[in-house]
Amino acid sequence: ETGVTQSPTHLIKTRGQQVTLRCSSQSGHNTVSWYQQALGQGPQFIFQYYREEENGRGNFPPRFSGLQFPNYSSELNVNALELDDSALYLCASSSRGQGNYGYTFGSGTRLTVV
Amino acid sequence: DQQVKQNSPSLSVQEGRISILNCDYTNSMFDYFLWYKKYPAEGPTFLISISSIKDKNEDGRFTVFLNKSAKHLSLHIVPSQPGDSAVYFCAAINQGGKLIFGQGTELSVKP
Repeated sequence: ETGVTQSPTHLIKTRGQQVTLRCSSQSGHNTVSWYQQALGQGPQFIFQYYREEENGRGNFPPRFSGLQFPNYSSELNVNALELDDSALYLCASSSRGQGNYGYTFGSGTRLTVV
Repeated sequence: DQQVKQNSPSLSVQEGRISILNCDYTNSMFDYFLWYKKYPAEGPTFLISISSIKDKNEDGRFTVFLNKSAKHLSLHIVPSQPGDSAVYFCAAINQGGKLIFGQGTELSVKP
């Protein structure tokens, strides 16, 4: 059983640029959630994807967008990067509809905006 | 609006003693709670959970207690081991099935 993998592990971008982060779900999982963890804070929910459609969104602006693919992998896109977007971005996969909350997290992508 | 709060950013405990990590929540509609453990450069890993219909759940050295009237839960680790040193996050499942995390407590277990 493969876990959740995220790429890249680290990234440095300039303010105003765009970034795409990638996530491969754990085998058997059909739902992907993205979280932003700022330094010294807990992970904050960005959005969730199920069956290639957004299924819930946290308090993040529209420049944060995502995709889920037929193989359940996912991308997080952030446009017009701001300095405050510097954070650890975590992806978590789960199996919706099985009555459990078995979220499996990846190791994250550390994004630095300069 | 922080719906799940961990008011202690850090905790230091001697090896072999009990570690108690606390968590408060504001939304009485939360009905499932989880604790996650996070090492540096790794994602959070699931530790233990509790449903709101219970007041205690135990798994080996880890026990979670839930006090619904106080909207408070705690994680007890006994005996604490140096390998338990990590950041611990309390989380609740909201009505949409999404995880809402607290700020985390960094536990340090001294040999």
